Amino acid sequence: AQSVTQLGSHVSVSEGALVLLRCNYSSSVPPYLFWYVQYPNQGLQLLLKYTSAATLVKGINGFEAEFKKSETSFHLTKPSAHMSDAAEYFCAVSVGAGKSTFGDGTTLTVKP
Amino acid sequence: NAGVTQTPKFRVLKTGQSMTLLCAQDMNHEYMYWYRQDPGMGLRLIHYSVGEGTTAKGEVPDGYNVSRLKKQNFLLGLESAAPSQTSVYFCASSYSTTDGRQPQHFGDGTRLSIL
Repeated sequence: AQSVTQLGSHVSVSEGALVLLRCNYSSSVPPYLFWYVQYPNQGLQLLLKYTSAATLVKGINGFEAEFKKSETSFHLTKPSAHMSDAAEYFCAVSVGAGKSTFGDGTTLTVKP
Repeated sequence: NAGVTQTPKFRVLKTGQSMTLLCAQDMNHEYMYWYRQDPGMGLRLIHYSVGEGTTAKGEVPDGYNVSRLKKQNFLLGLESAAPSQTSVYFCASSYSTTDGRQPQHFGDGTRLSIL
């Protein structure tokens, strides 16, 4: 079985500040890891994914995440927040068809 | 590109009524999924399908049924709606992924209220 923990249900940053959203996972087999973003009244959109090719993964909109096996973490970062980054972010772990687990989500607020 | 389209977008039902949510994808994906999203609980898998004519139970299947008669469509049915089924329902699809490496593509959701 696998699980995902997103630390902090709400994160608030100032425009231009560093964004750090935390995700820890557990899995009995090597997992694939994803970050998705959800804007109001929309579905989830893929930000980036880790599939074992490289530990530092770059995604869309300037986001990136680093896979750290020793810490079982896959934290999402962006050097400089923009107002348009305000949304809910979900970390997900997948080990097979029908075997994806999503975190509870982190709502990012960006203050002007 | 339409991607994943869910119908309807909103619906209000009375307890005990039945309804069907429709999901259609135009990406020729083999796998399709139904999730429910409740505040603070992320997404929970209801049922999924790995191909036309096949379905399987997810984490929270009770009270729901599904059918996948055509590859591009995945239907979610509520036979006798209950207030606990008030939620936002998302359909997703992906390429074949026995190891889980393929990301999922989501529709915009159906907001369902059961009174």
